[in-house]
Amino acid sequence: ETGVTQSPTHLIKTRGQQVTLRCSSQSGHNTVSWYQQALGQGPQFIFQYYREEENGRGNFPPRFSGLQFPNYSSELNVNALELDDSALYLCASSPRTSGGALTDTQYFGPGTRLTVL
Amino acid sequence: AQSVTQLDSHVSVSEGTPVLLRCNYSSSYSPSLFWYVQHPNKGLQLLLKYTSAATLVKGINGFEAEFKKSETSFHLTKPSAHMSDAAEYFCVVSSLQDTGRRALTFGSGTRLQVQP
Repeated sequence: ETGVTQSPTHLIKTRGQQVTLRCSSQSGHNTVSWYQQALGQGPQFIFQYYREEENGRGNFPPRFSGLQFPNYSSELNVNALELDDSALYLCASSPRTSGGALTDTQYFGPGTRLTVL
Repeated sequence: AQSVTQLDSHVSVSEGTPVLLRCNYSSSYSPSLFWYVQHPNKGLQLLLKYTSAATLVKGINGFEAEFKKSETSFHLTKPSAHMSDAAEYFCVVSSLQDTGRRALTFGSGTRLQVQP
């Protein structure tokens, strides 16, 4: 069984640029969540996607946007990068039960380290 | 609203001695609680999960946690620390929101150091 994978592993951008991060969910998982982990802090929830639609959002501005594809993989896009966007971006996938309820447990990928100069 | 407080930002123990990482939670609904571990430059690995089936939860690598509703605590313990346990540990609460969506809220983390 393949786990959650993310690409790229590291990325350096300059302020004002745009970035796209990618995530492939674990086999059989159809829900993807994205988190931002600043240095020395716990992960903060950005948003979640289920059936290619945003299914909840944390306290992040609209310049953080995402997509989910029919194969359940996902992208996180950040426009107009700011220095404070430098962080580890984590993707997590989770399955839904046969009844449609979202299970609690999320399985995390290794993350993408974004540095904004 | 839900929140998690990890009472220690750093814990240092000697190899072979017990580990205690403390976590208090607040949740409006019946919560699910988790402990995740993060090794340097790695993603998060699930250690254990509580979902009301049993108050004492056993996880991987010899870790366990006890859910105490009266104290709103979910402390993580291990009888004997190993050097490989050195990492950042996160206590996490998941609860059902009004929107029907489950949200995860992470604590700020506890860095565990294991001295030889």
